[in-house]
Amino acid sequence: ETGVTQTPRHLVMGMTNKKSLKCEQHLGHNAMYWYKQSAKKPLELMFVYSLEERVENNSVPSRFSPECPNSSHLFLHLHTLQPEDSALYLCASSTRDGPYEQYFGPGTRLTVT
Amino acid sequence: DQQVKQNSPSLSVQEGRISILNCDYTNSMFDYFLWYKKYPAEGPTFLISISSIKDKNEDGRFTVFLNKSAKHLSLHIVPSQPGDSAVYFCAAIGGTSYGKLTFGQGTILTVHP
Repeated sequence: ETGVTQTPRHLVMGMTNKKSLKCEQHLGHNAMYWYKQSAKKPLELMFVYSLEERVENNSVPSRFSPECPNSSHLFLHLHTLQPEDSALYLCASSTRDGPYEQYFGPGTRLTVT
Repeated sequence: DQQVKQNSPSLSVQEGRISILNCDYTNSMFDYFLWYKKYPAEGPTFLISISSIKDKNEDGRFTVFLNKSAKHLSLHIVPSQPGDSAVYFCAAIGGTSYGKLTFGQGTILTVHP
C-alpha cells in the first residue's frame, strides 16, 4: 500500500451504533488529521495529531473520539451519531515541521440513519 | 466567517484554452497557500503551493499567482485538458496555526473536448 488509506470506504450506521474509521499512512509523516466534508461546505478540520499527541480539537462533539496509537495510524471512533453527521470523513497526513502539504486518503462516506 | 473564499462555484472551459481559478482570503496571517484537486469518490490531491515571499510558482501546466496586497491568489491551467475536470480547492495556513489548513468551498472545473 502507498499513500494514505482509509477503511471502510462506505459506512451506514444507526444512531445507536458504535463504529470506527481507520486511517493508515505509508509516507513516513508524523502529523495526522481528520476532516469532515459536508455537502456544499468547505472541508472542516476536526482533529490534529502531531507525534501521536492531539494538538487540536476543533470544537468537535464528544460523540467523535479520535485515537492515534502511533505515527502511521489514526482512528475515529463514532458513537450515538446524529443524521446531520452524515458526511465524507477524510484523513490526511503531513510532516510536522513543513512543508505544509497534507496528503489525503480517499475518505469514508458515512450515512447515519 | 469564512477566511478563504472561492466565489465561483463552477467554471466551464474549452479544451486547449486557459482555466483560471480564483481564491480570496481575509486573514493577513496566512503565509502559505495551496491548491488541491478532487475527483468524485477520491480524497483531495495536492497540486501546487506558494509561499508569501513569492508572487508566482510554476509546475508544468499549473501556475499559481499570489497578490498579497489584494489578498488574492489564482491558479492557471494551460492548456486545459478534459482530465482536469474536477473540484479545485484553495487552502491557506499561517501564523501559529500549525497544521490548520483553511479551505475554500471549491470550484467545479469542467473542460469540454
